[in-house]
Amino acid sequence: DQQVKQNSPSLSVQEGRISILNCDYTNSMFDYFLWYKKYPAEGPTFLISISSIKDKNEDGRFTVFLNKSAKHLSLHIVPSQPGDSAVYFCAASVNTGGFKTIFGAGTRLFVKA
Amino acid sequence: NAGVTQTPKFRILKIGQSMTLQCTQDMNHNYMYWYRQDPGMGLKLIYYSVGAGITDKGEVPNGYNVSRSTTEDFPLRLELAAPSQTSVYFCASSYLVLRSSYEQYFGPGTRLTVT
Repeated sequence: DQQVKQNSPSLSVQEGRISILNCDYTNSMFDYFLWYKKYPAEGPTFLISISSIKDKNEDGRFTVFLNKSAKHLSLHIVPSQPGDSAVYFCAASVNTGGFKTIFGAGTRLFVKA
Repeated sequence: NAGVTQTPKFRILKIGQSMTLQCTQDMNHNYMYWYRQDPGMGLKLIYYSVGAGITDKGEVPNGYNVSRSTTEDFPLRLELAAPSQTSVYFCASSYLVLRSSYEQYFGPGTRLTVT
């Protein structure tokens, strides 16, 4: 049972254009959603997050949108840069007394110069 | 400040062998985690710890054991290695703050092959 789904394994975008990465979830108990970025042979690094009580969070070129009714979130990168080429993981967290984070399978972003 | 460090970076095991993956963090984080990532998949939580002396199972704990005797260290033990445990293993840590985003800091990973 995949609670967090990233249905696009890869995405290719031209430098300077917008990259939109999508994520769907099934568990309405999730209270935080996060995006992580991963380069080859490195561990994931935190990029941006959003609380379930908000619908948008912006940090520089990165904006995350949350649509709770659709159980959908998206990450927008504007403008895209070649250095943004990486795998992006969507993740969702719930505090269950310890807490657990569920990760999606990732989307590989290629930004072409 | 080294963050989260993991050793070894690579390891090849024969079926039935055992080993310990080491993880250390120097950020005084109370939470620590072990994940595995199989090709084309997301990270699956193996075990986590909310503080020294306290550990709990994640999604895929079978075949693994952990201990947390100090805040800094969270080793992962494989007792009888099986080919299904071939994966990349990531250790992570976080500091739980009320109404925080639960962001985690990851180590560089250990690539394990069991043949």
